[in-house]
Amino acid sequence: AQSVTQLGSHVSVSEGALVLLRCNYSSSVPPYLFWYVQYPNQGLQLLLKYTSAATLVKGINGFEAEFKKSETSFHLTKPSAHMSDAAEYFCAVLTQGGSEKLVFGKGTKLTVNP
Amino acid sequence: NAGVTQTPKFQVLKTGQSMTLQCAQDMNHEYMSWYRQDPGMGLRLIHYSVGAGITDQGEVPNGYNVSRSTTEDFPLRLLSAAPSQTSVYFCASSYSTPPTNTEAFFGQGTRLTVV
Repeated sequence: AQSVTQLGSHVSVSEGALVLLRCNYSSSVPPYLFWYVQYPNQGLQLLLKYTSAATLVKGINGFEAEFKKSETSFHLTKPSAHMSDAAEYFCAVLTQGGSEKLVFGKGTKLTVNP
Repeated sequence: NAGVTQTPKFQVLKTGQSMTLQCAQDMNHEYMSWYRQDPGMGLRLIHYSVGAGITDQGEVPNGYNVSRSTTEDFPLRLLSAAPSQTSVYFCASSYSTPPTNTEAFFGQGTRLTVV
């Protein structure tokens, strides 16, 4: 079964520092992978998605993620954190081979310190 | 374009009461789903539908019913509310065909407390 694991439930960075949020996937077929962001008291918003077109995917708000098959990873990065990046981030995989379902990781809460 | 609309935004229920969480989308999406979000658990799939008249169970379906009589609406029914159903509920919709149209659009959530 396809699944994702997010390493670190909480990540804290200083404003201007590199943001790195980790996601590893488990899939026997080429996966479709996503990163979503949730700001406080809001729904989820798509940051970026990997659909096998390119291994380096650029998303909104300066975020990007690189698909590494050899490491089964899809880590999210941003070169310089802003205070407005404080939110919870979810990695997700679209299951295939029958009914399609979006399966989420447990989330990583990002805190940005001034 | 309203996107995905959930009502109500907040609800308090007594144990044993029933209620329906409403979800409507205006994007003509075939695929709709319900998730619950609990601290440290991420989002867990309750039920989903790949089109009008078709529904299926997700990871945590017990205590919930759904139906899909139209493409636009996908209500979630709590049959007999329990404190364990205290959660934030999200409805999502998307096109069903990968890979280009697989983005899921989410509603703003319904915060449910069962006392």
